[in-house]
Amino acid sequence: ETGVTQSPTHLIKTRGQQVTLRCSSQSGHNTVSWYQQALGQGPQFIFQYYREEENGRGNFPPRFSGLQFPNYSSELNVNALELDDSALYLCASSLGGDQPQHFGDGTRLSIL
Amino acid sequence: QQQVKQSPQSLIVQKGGISIINCAYENTAFDYFPWYQQFPGKGPALLIAIRPDVSEKKEGRFTISFNKSAKQFSLHIMDSQPGDSATYFCAASSTGANNLFFGTGTRLTVIP
Repeated sequence: ETGVTQSPTHLIKTRGQQVTLRCSSQSGHNTVSWYQQALGQGPQFIFQYYREEENGRGNFPPRFSGLQFPNYSSELNVNALELDDSALYLCASSLGGDQPQHFGDGTRLSIL
Repeated sequence: QQQVKQSPQSLIVQKGGISIINCAYENTAFDYFPWYQQFPGKGPALLIAIRPDVSEKKEGRFTISFNKSAKQFSLHIMDSQPGDSATYFCAASSTGANNLFFGTGTRLTVIP
């Protein structure tokens, strides 16, 4: 059983640029959630996708957007990057509902 | 506002000792309380979880104690080992909600 995989593992961007992060969910998992983990902090919920639709959103601005594809993989897009966007971005997949969320190893995004 | 408060921030325990990490919450709608273990450069891994219908859950050396009236829950690691050295996060969510609210993490160091 393949776990949650994320790409790329590391990324360096400059302020104002745009970035796309990718996530392949664990086999059979139809729900994908994205979290932002700042250094030394716990993950913070960005949004969740279920059946290709956004299914809940945390306190993040609209420049954070996402997609989910028919194979349940997902993308996180961030526009107009700011220095505070530097963080580890985590993807978690689950079977939805109250089922446990399983995390990938994240993408480390650095903004210069 | 931090939905889940976690303490201590860091913890040093001798090999063979008991590690105890505490969390508190305010939202009485929370009904799912997982603990995650995170190693450097890795994503959080689900360790153990509890629902409010029981006061304790044990899996191997890991035990969650839950006090519904006090709105507190804790993780006990028995016979702590150097391999347990990691950052531990408590989290909470409510039925039908899409997101986990994480604590700020506890960095555990087990000294040989």
